[in-house]
Amino acid sequence: DAKTTQPPSMDCAEGRAANLPCNHSTISGNEYVYWYRQIHSQGPQYIIHGLKNNETNEMASLIITEDRKSSTLILPHATLRDTAVYYCIVRVRNAGNMLTFGGGTRLMVKP
Amino acid sequence: DAGVIQSPRHEVTEMGQEVTLRCKPISGHNSLFWYRQTMMRGLELLIYFNNNVPIDDSGMPEDRFSAKMPNASFSTLKIQPSEPRDSAVYFCASSPGGPSYEQYFGPGTRLTVT
Repeated sequence: DAKTTQPPSMDCAEGRAANLPCNHSTISGNEYVYWYRQIHSQGPQYIIHGLKNNETNEMASLIITEDRKSSTLILPHATLRDTAVYYCIVRVRNAGNMLTFGGGTRLMVKP
Repeated sequence: DAGVIQSPRHEVTEMGQEVTLRCKPISGHNSLFWYRQTMMRGLELLIYFNNNVPIDDSGMPEDRFSAKMPNASFSTLKIQPSEPRDSAVYFCASSPGGPSYEQYFGPGTRLTVT
């Protein structure tokens, strides 16, 4: 499985876009990029996933570079409630493959 | 949808006692996972069920831990006997298509063993 690298922490001003980077230079062609987050004292929350194309949902946008070696999760208008640890995970999308949560990026949204 | 339901939300017990944690997955999901989270070790996968059958229990720490899924809407994680080092937050998650599909987590059970 491809290894991911994320900065340990980031700050963002409330109302501004939060751009969270993830490097996955050894990603293989059939591996998806998943993003989850964990707000303090809550269970992890699925955010978004993608393979090649950029993806957008009600929570965030996922931008994957053309070579797929890195991606960026974008929270367009960060709020204080977006303060959380964000996990980037690369996995093949099949029934036998486990998700493993690494260290993630601790995002602090400040007023 | 009510989401994944876990009970109890908090459990305090004495060393040596049996502890049973319960989980109701999202209706229609065919995969269920039990995780444990501590400050020292982060989030660890304990066991994974697919269609009520245990597929991978390699994360279960030792024989004191056991998990069952008697039907598609209920699972238990049991610790007998409990030890102080079992103190952690235990999460249950379910998925519509397997572990690499999006997983939906419950609120967790905070277990304290004194």
